[in-house]
Amino acid sequence: QTVVTQEPSLTVSPGGTVTLTCASSTGAVTSGYYPNWFQQKPGQAPRPLIYSTSNKHSWTPARFSGSLLGGKAALTLSGVQPEDEAEYYCLLYYGGVRVFGAGTKVTVL
Amino acid sequence: EVQLVESGGGLVQPGGSLTLSCAASGFTFSSYAMAWVRQAPGKGLEWVSSIGGRGDYTYYTDSVKGRFTLSRDNSKNTMYLQMNSLRAEDTAVYYCAKIEAGLDYWGQGTLVTVSS
Repeated sequence: QTVVTQEPSLTVSPGGTVTLTCASSTGAVTSGYYPNWFQQKPGQAPRPLIYSTSNKHSWTPARFSGSLLGGKAALTLSGVQPEDEAEYYCLLYYGGVRVFGAGTKVTVL
Repeated sequence: EVQLVESGGGLVQPGGSLTLSCAASGFTFSSYAMAWVRQAPGKGLEWVSSIGGRGDYTYYTDSVKGRFTLSRDNSKNTMYLQMNSLRAEDTAVYYCAKIEAGLDYWGQGTLVTVSS
């Protein structure tokens, strides 16, 4: 049973920077896991933010960036806005099967 | 404009069956793999299953293997999730998603409730 681990919650001040990470129980996360990141607000469908580690969708705000950091996938929010308060999920690809992390609740305070 | 519309959700008794549909428009449906993702009430996202553009491969999460079957009809631009032997833990909003740049477009979801 593959497990993808994210921080349960993080708090950031408006205008600040926060980094979320995504680890795999199978070992270091590489580009071959094609990390995806999604934002979800209450009552809404998930909104894709990042695909294949660091690629942004046309609708992804510039303040969101993806990377690999210390064997994990990472999502960095720079210049955080109040509307960034949401749940964030990563998704990893395991050769056909995909697994989501449990999500990180980001609070902007 | 890409649109994905799920349907077929509802209330079903434990052990029962249900078929979900995902109607696609705004892109060449047969060229893209598709996926189902579910979210139990108050819980996180769970990838359920994926299917190739030509229906040439399918993958399932362990908890639904042998009970769920994913298929597609490219002439109707529609994907189907046949769910059998439903359990209370299958209760969730089921989303369909297009796979190209990751899971790049999602529907609004359909609610499946398994309860007696």
